[in-house]
Amino acid sequence: TQLLEQSPQFLSIQEGENLTVYCNSSSVFSSLQWYRQEPGEGPVLLVTVVTGGEVKKLKRLTFQFGDARKDSSLHITAAQPGDTGLYLCAGDRSGGSNYKLTFGKGTLLTVNP
Amino acid sequence: DAGVIQSPRHEVTEMGQEVTLRCKPISGHDYLFWYRQTMMRGLELLIYFNNNVPIDDSGMPEDRFSAKMPNASFSTLKIQPSEPRDSAVYFCASKRDGSYEQYFGPGTRLTVT
Repeated sequence: TQLLEQSPQFLSIQEGENLTVYCNSSSVFSSLQWYRQEPGEGPVLLVTVVTGGEVKKLKRLTFQFGDARKDSSLHITAAQPGDTGLYLCAGDRSGGSNYKLTFGKGTLLTVNP
Repeated sequence: DAGVIQSPRHEVTEMGQEVTLRCKPISGHDYLFWYRQTMMRGLELLIYFNNNVPIDDSGMPEDRFSAKMPNASFSTLKIQPSEPRDSAVYFCASKRDGSYEQYFGPGTRLTVT
């Protein structure tokens, strides 16, 4: 059983479209992170959310942490080909010290020009 | 500044052979993590070190796997003997105490035939 379920697994859209990907769990996390991974590289951190209900924006990307700190979403506005990649969410099970991250399997996003 | 450095980038070996993966964390980082990524299981934490001391190795799959960190600038992950099911991308990551962000290396793609 995967502790963090991400959906959809695959998403292929046209440039300019909006999209939302989800990260869900039955467990509570002290913090949750979103990473983007490109082929042949390691994941790169996009954002960390720590407070239930928190919303963070990073240019065209909007991240939300659920009120109960069990789920999160990532919304991309006007997607561009450069947004293509594997988006991973990761929850902290170490009680806030971020030593022990549990990763979802990811959403593979393809943005077509 | 150099990021996390991993070597080799690719390793192809035959079943039963010993494999050693190497990692140089970012200078000044107190924590080092070893992960494994597969399509089936996603990104999994194998073991992590704090100040060169192994703290949690509960993710190490079995006794064939071992990890060492002889000093603050070097760590190894060894598989002996290797099996085809060990084929995966192995990532090393490091982070500074008090920071949320883990910095990942480019990974080592291991193929065991």
